[in-house]
Amino acid sequence: DTEVTQTPKHLVMGMTNKKSLKCEQHMGHRAMYWYKQKAKKPPELMFVYSYEKLSINESVPSRFSPECPNSSLLNLHLHALQPEDSALYLCASSPPYSPLHFGNGTRLTVT
Amino acid sequence: EDQVTQSPEALRLQEGESSSLNCSYTVSGLRGLFWYRQDPGKGPEFLFTLYSAGEEKEKERLKATLTKKESFLHITAPKPEDSATYLCAVRTGGGADGLTFGKGTHLIIQP
Repeated sequence: DTEVTQTPKHLVMGMTNKKSLKCEQHMGHRAMYWYKQKAKKPPELMFVYSYEKLSINESVPSRFSPECPNSSLLNLHLHALQPEDSALYLCASSPPYSPLHFGNGTRLTVT
Repeated sequence: EDQVTQSPEALRLQEGESSSLNCSYTVSGLRGLFWYRQDPGKGPEFLFTLYSAGEEKEKERLKATLTKKESFLHITAPKPEDSATYLCAVRTGGGADGLTFGKGTHLIIQP
């Protein structure tokens, strides 16, 4: 078990659906991250929130919309995804200048 | 542009056969080099952080070292449970910047 909890573990959605991924941590970390990982590839940074403010957006398409309602929660809203968006979506958190703690991810399949 | 290159891509060892994994990096200003272990279907699990050349960290059968251009993860007398993908990552920006990952080394330890 990790200290970063992601739900759901698996998600199958059609290209016209709207869904959300959720991430929660109670370690008091003020930086939270979304990464995307395709099969047999390294994680790729999507978004960074620092003190609940979006600080980094790595040119991610607008069909991915992040939200940080409070210091413990991070959401990723999905809309009109493409099959190539199928991947493992990882959430992480960290104190400043420290290692990232990852959750076990949401396995997303877009049909 | 920051670059992280890991070698070999895959490595198969017999149980008890020691070896080393390499991570070479080209970055504008290193603010930390991180080693992670990732099991199939799971998020990366933090192993070590190294900040300056000459630094070494150890944990059980693993030892990480850092020079100005590369890092090594030495595995001594590995066991089958050490089988995983080992990821190297660098941080070059501020305290809440994300990590840039290498492609990883897929390690298999045969009994």
